[in-house]
Amino acid sequence: QVQLQESGPGLVKPSETLSLTCSVSGDSITRNYWSWVRQPPGKGLEWIGYIYSTASTSENPSLGSRITISLDRSKNQFSLKLRSVTAADTAVYYCARITSTYMDVWGKGTTVTVSS
Amino acid sequence: EIVLTQSPGTLSLSPGDRATLSCRASQSVSSSNLAWYQQKPGQAPRLLIYGGSSRATGTPDRFSGSGSGTDFTLTISRLESEDFAVYFCQQYGGSPRVTFGGGTKVEIK
Repeated sequence: QVQLQESGPGLVKPSETLSLTCSVSGDSITRNYWSWVRQPPGKGLEWIGYIYSTASTSENPSLGSRITISLDRSKNQFSLKLRSVTAADTAVYYCARITSTYMDVWGKGTTVTVSS
Repeated sequence: EIVLTQSPGTLSLSPGDRATLSCRASQSVSSSNLAWYQQKPGQAPRLLIYGGSSRATGTPDRFSGSGSGTDFTLTISRLESEDFAVYFCQQYGGSPRVTFGGGTKVEIK
């Protein structure tokens, strides 16, 4: 059974960098695509970006150059860094596995609040 | 940019009713690249339908997906209590690579 678990600080100060990690069990990150999605309070889903096992990435242009997604093959984890955060980045952040063209396994999500 | 517009925003129905949810794309989307998700409060989204019409593992057969081009539909033939939730459509392959619709909330009337 494939499971994903997000981890990271729940509170980040404005202008700082949000850093999250997704730990994968039951599958290898050397296969498939691995994605980040977020959901602001009371709103819909926003795709952030994904990474493939070759470490090639695709990011949502709306988030510009603030995003870095990376892999740690030794730990079977992938990570998200979002720089220069503002209150608009407050959201529940999910990691998910992309199989073909859809996200078939999701983490439970982690809430990140941007506030001083 | 491919924008997915879901309608209606909220659907008020009773158990046993038929629910029809719409997802309209601003550009043509291959049905193989269209998925539907269900989300309940406090939970992560759950994959329901992929490839436009294929049910994911564990999806009851009262859920069906259809459509092509720019118009896609999720139908719930007879609503059960556990089906009251928010539903999102998602496309893959356009620009941005992945986009979600704004969601349709199915609530108890």
